[in-house]
Formats: sequence, structure tokens, C-alpha cells
Amino acid sequence: GQQVMQIPQYQHVQEGEDFTTYCNSSTTLSNIQWYKQRPGGHPVFLIQLVKSGEVKKQKRLTFQFGEAKKNSSLHITATQTTDVGTYFCAGPRNTDKLIFGTGTRLQVFP
Amino acid sequence: EADIYQTPRYLVIGTGKKITLECSQTMGHDKMYWYQQDPGMELHLIHYSYGVNSTEKGDLSSESTVSRIRTEHFPLTLESARPSHTSQYLCASSRMEGYSPLHFGNGTRLTVT
Repeated sequence: GQQVMQIPQYQHVQEGEDFTTYCNSSTTLSNIQWYKQRPGGHPVFLIQLVKSGEVKKQKRLTFQFGEAKKNSSLHITATQTTDVGTYFCAGPRNTDKLIFGTGTRLQVFP
Repeated sequence: EADIYQTPRYLVIGTGKKITLECSQTMGHDKMYWYQQDPGMELHLIHYSYGVNSTEKGDLSSESTVSRIRTEHFPLTLESARPSHTSQYLCASSRMEGYSPLHFGNGTRLTVT
């Protein structure tokens, strides 16, 4: 069945360093969504990418959808302690069931 | 800002008990979902609904059942809780159109002793 894998599983960075998580799907995706889950919290929607090769920015966060629409990345520039959490990508299966990736847990040391 | 509510927030219960996890949303969303998530792990879809009287099983086999009698309410029931059911259960909702983003509740952390 469809799988959505993310690497790395964990990332520890010093505050101010950059961070990137990669999302890879076994099948082509019509769109991809990104969520952030703070420790002890629930996932919160960040952004959705639809077009092949699309790049979107939210302040220090840059999201990219691959040309083949099978992979995506999230890059954070100059991390801050408020960036701590687990970042999930998610893609639709069949009609519109959303399948979440394995997640990347980010820890930022001050 | 929570428009989707889950109760209880935490539940510790003995084996064999029947439990119902409540989920309500005030956004008028047609689609609702239940995900199961172990600490620090990925989310697994266990149930979803497209609207009133619509319920479907998700990808992860679950012994729980759901009902959708009202648009705003999507409770999940375990007839006989077991320790293997210990997990966090997250309820979510979204608009019907296209690939609308999910809005999650705060979750119910269930511990079965």
C-alpha cells in the first residue's frame, strides 16, 4: 500500500542552525500537507502544496513539492526554540483519506 | 481557538470496561476522522466519516466503533477495553471540498490497566 516516509526521524540542532526534513511517497500525490505537533499537543496545519515544483514560504519556513509530486521538503532557516516539535507531511490516498508520514522530531538547544 | 472538542482529556480505566470518547466540532464540517497515535509516533487513521450516517474504517484495524448521528458529533466506542488499546486518540474534522486541511482536537490519552 501507499507509504509516506520522512527522514530524518530525529534531528537535534543548536539554536540558529538550519533544519530540513524530507518526505517521500511511494506513489504520486495530488497534493501534500504539512503539520506541526508540539510536545504534548495536537497536529496543527501549516501549509498545502498542490503544483509540481511548487515552493511556498512562511517566514523562516520554506516548503517545496517535488517535480514528480512524490516528495516534499520543509526547511527552517535559523531555528528557534519555538520550532521544537514533530513535523509531519501528509498526502491523500484514494479519494481524500489523509495518510500521515512517519514524522521528524526536531529538538532545538539554546 | 478550539473549534473541535474532545473529552475526556485523560482516561485511566480497567480492562474489560466499555468506554466512549467524545468528539464535537462547531465548524459545520462534513468530514470527521479518528486517528490513533502512540507517543512520538506517526498517526494512524482508524475511522472516518463523510457526513451523517456515514462511517468507514481506516487503514489501521481497530476494535473500536464509531457513529455519526449528528454532523457535529463523532463519538468512538470501545466495548471492552484492553491494555493494547492504551494510546492517544485524536479526532479531526475538515470541509468536504477538495483536500481541505484537518483541524484536530486536543486528543484523549487513554490508559487501560
